[in-house]
Amino acid sequence: AQKITQTQPGMFVQEKEAVTLDCTYDTSDPSYGLFWYKQPSSGEMIFLIYQGSYDQQNATEGRYSLNFQKARKSANLVISASQLGDSAMYFCAMRESRERRSQGNLIFGKGTKLSVKP
Amino acid sequence: DGGITQSPKYLFRKEGQNVTLSCEQNLNHDAMYWYRQDPGQGLRLIYYSQIVNDFQKGDIAEGYSVSREKKESFPLTVTSAQKNPTAFYLCATSRDRVTEAFFGQGTRLTVV
Repeated sequence: AQKITQTQPGMFVQEKEAVTLDCTYDTSDPSYGLFWYKQPSSGEMIFLIYQGSYDQQNATEGRYSLNFQKARKSANLVISASQLGDSAMYFCAMRESRERRSQGNLIFGKGTKLSVKP
Repeated sequence: DGGITQSPKYLFRKEGQNVTLSCEQNLNHDAMYWYRQDPGQGLRLIYYSQIVNDFQKGDIAEGYSVSREKKESFPLTVTSAQKNPTAFYLCATSRDRVTEAFFGQGTRLTVV
């Protein structure tokens, strides 16, 4: 079973508008972390934002915020005021702290390609 | 400069050859990882190491080998047993099993 599901293969957004990228996850581990990474066409993976399973508030980092709905097991990334440089692949990932099989390894979704239109 | 260095950036391999991808870090992180990325896909874990002289297989370890003789270095060898090695390879490190991982620039391997 997929642990991280990103249902949007591609998204378009107008420059300066906000966009939400969806991510749902599956785990029985009570302690886990959720991450979003950006991958531009050059290939490097850039860490954007982190949400811990016990965090009471949604994480925010500049124009990025994470809409964490624990009961629904969703961790959507919201990008406000989109810029042309935001065009890239975006990956949602999870780490389970106590699950022995995964031992804290990052598990990735298949990604969403975001295109920002001028 | 603190960071993760992968080399080479591009690598071409003839069928039947072994090749080694380099990953060096000066972040003083204990954990190191190798991921493979195919076009339009997410990252899949090949091998990981939580400590020097110890490493574990990931989800797709067949046809690959690693070593971890120094904290700073975690080279990946793609052997001739790997049937479809053409892919983008990413090395990552993290301080522990909880916080974020940091990635190198990647190596694009092509079999010719």
